[in-house]
Amino acid sequence: EAGVTQFPSHSVIEKGQTVTLRCDPISGHDNLYWYRRVMGKEIKFLLHFVKESKQDESGMPNNRFLAERTGGTYSTLKVQPAELEDSGVYFCASSLGVVSEAFFGQGTRLTVV
Amino acid sequence: AQSVTQLGSHVSVSEGALVLLRCNYSSSVPPYLFWYVQYPNQGLQLLLKYTSAATLVKGINGFEAEFKKSETSFHLTKPSAHMSDAAEYFCAVSDEGSGNTGKLIFGQGTTLQVKP
Repeated sequence: EAGVTQFPSHSVIEKGQTVTLRCDPISGHDNLYWYRRVMGKEIKFLLHFVKESKQDESGMPNNRFLAERTGGTYSTLKVQPAELEDSGVYFCASSLGVVSEAFFGQGTRLTVV
Repeated sequence: AQSVTQLGSHVSVSEGALVLLRCNYSSSVPPYLFWYVQYPNQGLQLLLKYTSAATLVKGINGFEAEFKKSETSFHLTKPSAHMSDAAEYFCAVSDEGSGNTGKLIFGQGTTLQVKP
């Protein structure tokens, strides 16, 4: 069974550009989470989807970040326009139920220069 | 609000020595607690979790953690470190304040170095 897949694994973009990160959860997992780790800080929650609906987006930093999960399958996280402070590692996780184990992807390392 | 504190951002042990990674949490309700490990260039992998059953939880790769309510701690231990244990370890608590949505609150992470 394939795990959670994220791509790209690395992205280097200039300030002001747009970047889209993608997450493919484990098939059948209704719950999908995005987290971010900024250099030297803890991993922080961004948002939670249940199927295609946003259950909780309280961790989204600002309106430059837009997450979608059309059809309840894969999810995208777009940053537009990117700022220097957006640099970090973005993790995606999925689970069958909210009390089930969350499986994490390997993360996307975003560098904004 | 819940929070997690991991004492020590870097821990170094010799191969064969005891591993002790410290984690303290704050929570107003009985929490679910987790330890995750991240090996280089990989995603986070669940080591073990506490869900209010036995206070001593055994995980993968010989790790275990003990839930101590009186100390609000959930320290991770392994009797004998192996070179392959070198990784970054994260303690996390589920955010019960959100109504148990599976949202996790992480500590800052502890990098474990194992010396030959």
